[in-house]
Amino acid sequence: GDSVTQMEGPVTLSEEAFLTINCTYTATGYPSLFWYVQYPGEGLQLLLKATKADDKGSNKGFEATYRKETTSFHLEKGSVQVSDSAVYFCALTSNQAGTALIFGKGTTLSVSS
Amino acid sequence: DAGVIQSPRHEVTEMGQEVTLRCKPISGHDYLFWYRQTMMRGLELLIYFNNNVPIDDSGMPEDRFSAKMPNASFSTLKIQPSEPRDSAVYFCASSLTLARQGEAFFGQGTRLTVV
Repeated sequence: GDSVTQMEGPVTLSEEAFLTINCTYTATGYPSLFWYVQYPGEGLQLLLKATKADDKGSNKGFEATYRKETTSFHLEKGSVQVSDSAVYFCALTSNQAGTALIFGKGTTLSVSS
Repeated sequence: DAGVIQSPRHEVTEMGQEVTLRCKPISGHDYLFWYRQTMMRGLELLIYFNNNVPIDDSGMPEDRFSAKMPNASFSTLKIQPSEPRDSAVYFCASSLTLARQGEAFFGQGTRLTVV
């Protein structure tokens, strides 16, 4: 079945460092891809999305490009801040009717000043 | 709209007791989802509803778990009897359509501890 694989965390960075969190997926057809962020004690919030190959989603300085050829949707940010410390989830929705959102296991990011 | 509202935020109960978690979705959203989050298994979809009707409950772990949606503005997830392995954070989410579930809004979750 469809699945999402994220890099294991935690990821620990200093402020202003470059961030990459890897995400690859397995799906039939052309799924839509998402990154969610979960701040401590909060629910998940949609960070960005891409619905077709080569689309780039972006928000709050974060970017991810839908790569069909490598089945990837890696999250990047050029300069992280302490306030970016959170858990990041990669997710997909399949094209199959009636199927629900599938999440990766999440990657914890910790940014220190 | 105040977003998806879950209650209680924290629940501590003894093994064997009944636990009821509550959710109020965003008004106008036709889909409601219940998720469970644990360190070991990550986020798991338990069940989802469309227009108050359960559509897929294949993620409900056991018969001890049940969920209802008596109207468009309220849903419950009940565990009876509860066990220590049910300890987790339970999230409710709602979306306008299934196609837009990737843009779902999540509640803040209920942290359940069963001792």
